[in-house]
Amino acid sequence: EAQVTQNPRYLITVTGKKLTVTCSQNMNHEYMSWYRQDPGLGLRQIYYSMNVEVTDKGDVPEGYKVSRKEKRNFPLILESPSPNQTSLYFCASSLPGDGYTFGSGTRLTVV
Amino acid sequence: AQKVTQAQTEISVVEKEDVTLDCVYETRDTTYYLFWYKQPPSGELVFLIRRNSFDEQNEISGRYSWNFQKSTSSFNFTITASQVVDSAVYFCALSENKAAGNKLTFGGGTRVLVKP
Repeated sequence: EAQVTQNPRYLITVTGKKLTVTCSQNMNHEYMSWYRQDPGLGLRQIYYSMNVEVTDKGDVPEGYKVSRKEKRNFPLILESPSPNQTSLYFCASSLPGDGYTFGSGTRLTVV
Repeated sequence: AQKVTQAQTEISVVEKEDVTLDCVYETRDTTYYLFWYKQPPSGELVFLIRRNSFDEQNEISGRYSWNFQKSTSSFNFTITASQVVDSAVYFCALSENKAAGNKLTFGGGTRVLVKP
């Protein structure tokens, strides 16, 4: 089944403890992206990647890192999480010019 | 800059009623793509439709239909004979051809509540 898989689905962590949210797609898509969804602010792009080893900042990249060492994986790294990064995170992938397929989301709480 | 506006924040209907969700967009690009996504209470984002700016044909898929009008920069979505399972938040989104990485700009979403 064609899909984008994110893990974990739910995560509660403490301020400052590094964490990684994994994302993998099995559709051989070139493009991958991370979004966060917050009440009143909607869905905003954090980082995106147009191919292996090609990543760039979206609208809200501060406090996040990504890597694209292989086509299928696009992990989101929070080196020192803070409470303002509590959010619902979505990974997505697509072909150029196509619609994004989204993962099921990761609900992150930073206390 | 691109922008998507969904003026209706919440719509409540009784089952079997039709419901139309409005979406108005702004872009300076001549080539762009419009999308609708559904976010059910479980939280995932489900792709519903993609339209490019050169294709103004309306589309029907089962109980769903979409009306794209370039002249008014609108891409409205109608659910016919609504069902309780249609209860969700619906997002309209825009991607400009020049946007790197297919960046999507989302509207604020419209919450649809279908009561039995």
